[in-house]
Amino acid sequence: AQSVAQPEDQVNVAEGNPLTVKCTYSVSGNPYLFWYVQYPNRGLQFLLKYITGDNLVKGSYGFEAEFNKSQTSFHLKKPSALVSDSALYFCAVRPYSGNTPLVFGKGTRLSVIA
Amino acid sequence: ETGVTQSPTHLIKTRGQQVTLRCSSQSGHNTVSWYQQALGQGPQFIFQYYREEENGRGNFPPRFSGLQFPNYSSELNVNALELDDSALYLCASSLGREHEQYFGPGTRLTVT
Repeated sequence: AQSVAQPEDQVNVAEGNPLTVKCTYSVSGNPYLFWYVQYPNRGLQFLLKYITGDNLVKGSYGFEAEFNKSQTSFHLKKPSALVSDSALYFCAVRPYSGNTPLVFGKGTRLSVIA
Repeated sequence: ETGVTQSPTHLIKTRGQQVTLRCSSQSGHNTVSWYQQALGQGPQFIFQYYREEENGRGNFPPRFSGLQFPNYSSELNVNALELDDSALYLCASSLGREHEQYFGPGTRLTVT
């Protein structure tokens, strides 16, 4: 069965500094990988996805993520954090083939301090 | 183009009652998925509908049921509510399985 691990419940970073939110996954075969962000009292907003191709994926609001097949990781990054980036971030995975659903991690709360 | 909408926003029910939650998918999207998000957790997959047919189900009991209509809107029904059903229920639509899902704002259900 597929699974996602987000090892950090909370990440704190100073405004202007680079940020990384970690995600590792387990899936049979090739993965579809996604990052979503959730602001208070809101649904999830799509940030970016990896399907195939270039390992570095660029998404919304200056975020990017790097797919590393050997380490089964898909860490979310941003070169310069903004206070408005403070939110809950979810990594999700599902296999490339088959009829299995999207599985989410438990989420990482990012706090960007001015 | 309107996004995914859900109704109601908040709901309070008593244990043992039944509830229906509604979702309108984003224009052109034929696939709708429902998720339960308990406090402090990631969304848990309940089921998915594709062109009015159930197309996958997570580890939820049969008292969780759903429908998808010809216009691709959807309902989630929960019978015999339990206290543990208290959660944020999220609906998401997509163009297909390999595409990203777009989420609605959710319905906050409280069971007392």
